[in-house]
Amino acid sequence: SQQGEEDPQALSIQEGENATMNCSYKTSINNLQWYRQNSGRGLVHLILIRSNEREKHSGRLRVTLDTSKKSSSLLITASRAADTASYFCATDKGAQKLVFGQGTRLTINP
Amino acid sequence: DVKVTQSSRYLVKRTGEKVFLECVQDMDHENMFWYRQDPGLGLRLIYFSYDVKMKEKGDIPEGYSVSREKKERFSLILESASTNQTSMYLCASSSSSGAGWETQYFGPGTRLLVL
Repeated sequence: SQQGEEDPQALSIQEGENATMNCSYKTSINNLQWYRQNSGRGLVHLILIRSNEREKHSGRLRVTLDTSKKSSSLLITASRAADTASYFCATDKGAQKLVFGQGTRLTINP
Repeated sequence: DVKVTQSSRYLVKRTGEKVFLECVQDMDHENMFWYRQDPGLGLRLIYFSYDVKMKEKGDIPEGYSVSREKKERFSLILESASTNQTSMYLCASSSSSGAGWETQYFGPGTRLLVL
């Protein structure tokens, strides 16, 4: 079963705007990860946030985690055309297995 | 640079054929995974392996088997392909320890069409 659920399913914004994607999960976690998938390709790891962390930054990416609400958000600032992709959250299921959500499809319009 | 390769990007097979999907990683990772990805369903874990000759069922193992004879290679086998196995197949690997051990590294995927 899929634990992570992303919201929205699709997002279309203008280049330069910020994009925010949300992920909710059901059970307790050790960490939550975000991955990006360009069309028809494999997934690429973006960032990992641990259960004892509330916020993490990496370049133009900002991830927050609220364990009381069982939710996370991924913010991409100053979006570029190259950010067009699908974004997935993944929660650890223990034993190094990940459970992926269905993803948010992000389109950046020039 | 981390590298996971899959033997084919696109594959067309007929119902009933035996299909082999190969995955090779060059990072000396202990763990390897096979997922399938379908629209609206996200990624679902088929099988995984923690070590050579070890395998564990994932969430949807029915109709599949795997083989891991060498640490760097993890094969997914469709014993008798069916049309409902038409999908994108993704292989991934990860380390068991060290910095960033929780991260999975993915191959480019194999898009399989079963006719």
